[in-house]
Amino acid sequence: SQQGEEDPQALSIQEGENATMNCSYKTSINNLQWYRQNSGRGLVHLILIRSNEREKHSGRLRVTLDTSKKSSSLLITASRAADTASYFCATDERAGSYQLTFGKGTKLSVIP
Amino acid sequence: NAGVMQNPRHLVRRRGQEARLRCSPMKGHSHVYWYRQLPEEGLKFMVYLQKENIIDESGMPKERFSAEFPKEGPSILRIQQVVRGDSAAYFCASSDRVSTEWSGNEQFFGPGTRLTVL
Repeated sequence: SQQGEEDPQALSIQEGENATMNCSYKTSINNLQWYRQNSGRGLVHLILIRSNEREKHSGRLRVTLDTSKKSSSLLITASRAADTASYFCATDERAGSYQLTFGKGTKLSVIP
Repeated sequence: NAGVMQNPRHLVRRRGQEARLRCSPMKGHSHVYWYRQLPEEGLKFMVYLQKENIIDESGMPKERFSAEFPKEGPSILRIQQVVRGDSAAYFCASSDRVSTEWSGNEQFFGPGTRLTVL
């Protein structure tokens, strides 16, 4: 598996439910970011969590990071149809780095 | 306060032609990155540039691909003699810093250029 691998590959839920996506990575990281991509569009930055942080919130988003397990999760609460998109985690491996390594993403479908 | 701009949004080329993709970073950003995304895949890093300098092109194919970020004007990703396998979405991102121990390398992405090679 590659650095920044998301799980599940696809997720379908009803509007109002919570959606949880997971990301695993292999090497040590400096920080981890989550991005959203609507179909055929560019990426939108959602949230960044540093390696010394364990949890971060932004609106309906909650991100956790477990560096001992090399994993992160993205929780979207009270999902809306507009949350339908692909979600990617991206890691950068050390301070001073610039190259983000992306996983293949989780495709989330929120059914109205 | 425009974000990262890319043009064209869609580009169709025949095999053997050249493709030129342009990227204007966000105002105040001096770091530009190019990524390629194949269908159903994540983004793959290609090249990192600062003004007039290529810092890391380790993700670029050795032949036919080149990138520049001149002192004036947008960054250009150039693909010569395109082949069908070059068909992909090409994204440009910019940032105002590299990652440090205290801050992350938050990259802002453009809408992408979708290249189709016939």
